[in-house]
Amino acid sequence: GQNIDQPTEMTATEGAIVQINCTYQTSGFNGLFWYQQHAGEAPTFLSYNVLDGLEEKGRFSSFLSRSKGYSYLLLKELQMKDSASYLCAPMDSNYQLIWGAGTKLIIKP
Amino acid sequence: IAGITQAPTSQILAAGRRMTLRCTQDMRHNAMYWYRQDLGLGLRLIHYSNTAGTTGKGEVPDGYSVSRANTDDFPLTLASAVPSQTSVYFCASSDGTSGGTDTQYFGPGTRLTVL
Repeated sequence: GQNIDQPTEMTATEGAIVQINCTYQTSGFNGLFWYQQHAGEAPTFLSYNVLDGLEEKGRFSSFLSRSKGYSYLLLKELQMKDSASYLCAPMDSNYQLIWGAGTKLIIKP
Repeated sequence: IAGITQAPTSQILAAGRRMTLRCTQDMRHNAMYWYRQDLGLGLRLIHYSNTAGTTGKGEVPDGYSVSRANTDDFPLTLASAVPSQTSVYFCASSDGTSGGTDTQYFGPGTRLTVL
């Protein structure tokens, strides 16, 4: 079956760095998306990886290893506004996104 | 209008009633999607449409129907609501021109409570 595993909750300090891991098993693979979702709001797109390696976009970077079924989202210079849930979503062979339950990130001053 | 809009924002509904959730996008995106999001679970795909005039079933289609008469609108109908359909419903759209790997953009959601 298809499965996504990411930590339920993480806590980090303002100004620090945090890495949110995601492991996945899907029927086929057409890339992996990361979304951010603030409480009570819609998910918003952060990154898309289809090849192995690191993609850097400002304070956020995303890494993919297809052979290991593994991705992580790296957030640097954490700000209070980064408090949100982070959703890992690989795309299967039918081009459908398989969503994890998300990691709730709590930023403390 | 800019992006995707959904209506209503929230709704309390008696079980057995019929309800249509509305979704409109002005980005001329080909593909549209309906998801539900429940606490502790990932987003689950209900129905999708790759282009106007076509629809498909997602992971949890039972109890829901959709139509795609034109590019902009993608309404979701609950024919006879049940309490297990209490959830937050998100509509999304994507350009649909990159072989299926396009980024999905989400509407603000509809919070539905079925009593």
